Amino acid sequence: QKEVEQNSGPLSVPEGAIASLNCTYSDRGSQSFFWYRQYSGKSPELIMFIYSNGDKEDGRFTAQLNKASQYVSLLIRDSQPSDSATYLCAVDQGAQKLVFGQGTRLTINP
Amino acid sequence: DAGITQSPRYKITETGRQVTLMCHQTWSHSYMFWYRQDLGHGLRLIYYSAAADITDKGEVPDGYVVSRSKTENFPLTLESATRSQTSVYFCASREGYSNQPQHFGDGTRLSIL
Repeated sequence: QKEVEQNSGPLSVPEGAIASLNCTYSDRGSQSFFWYRQYSGKSPELIMFIYSNGDKEDGRFTAQLNKASQYVSLLIRDSQPSDSATYLCAVDQGAQKLVFGQGTRLTINP
Repeated sequence: DAGITQSPRYKITETGRQVTLMCHQTWSHSYMFWYRQDLGHGLRLIYYSAAADITDKGEVPDGYVVSRSKTENFPLTLESATRSQTSVYFCASREGYSNQPQHFGDGTRLSIL
């Protein structure tokens, strides 16, 4: 069973601080990695994707990938209350499918 | 730009009934997916389709049937609903390239009494 593991949280971060969300995966053959944000009662919304080792930045969000360690993370700088949501890590399983972690619930405290 | 739409948004039915959840996308994406989301299990793949008339099982296909006669539509049918199929169902689509992200519909909240 190819797995994606996330700390379920809740992760509580003060407003303006950096939120760090982590994800590990078991399939060494995985090539594509995605972060989705899901507000309560809503559908998953794509935040970022990353394919290569290193960092990828988009506004306040930075995705980090380390394939040797099978580790992908999402950093949120200058956290805002509107960032409070569940963050899902998704990893390609090959065969055109994604495997999702169970998500980390993030709360930003004003 | 309608994107991907699911209907109905909410559905209540009884055990043993047949129910069909609809999914329609306007992007002409080749790939479409059905997931269910339950507390403690996260998102689990039910079925997916690579193109019209091509479908394949995901992680939890039992009790579900899919079809894809047109690229834009991917209905999911529960032939004889059971209480264990009470869940939130999400449809997603993706372009043909495997490194492209999936985009989700708003979901259908299904309750089976």
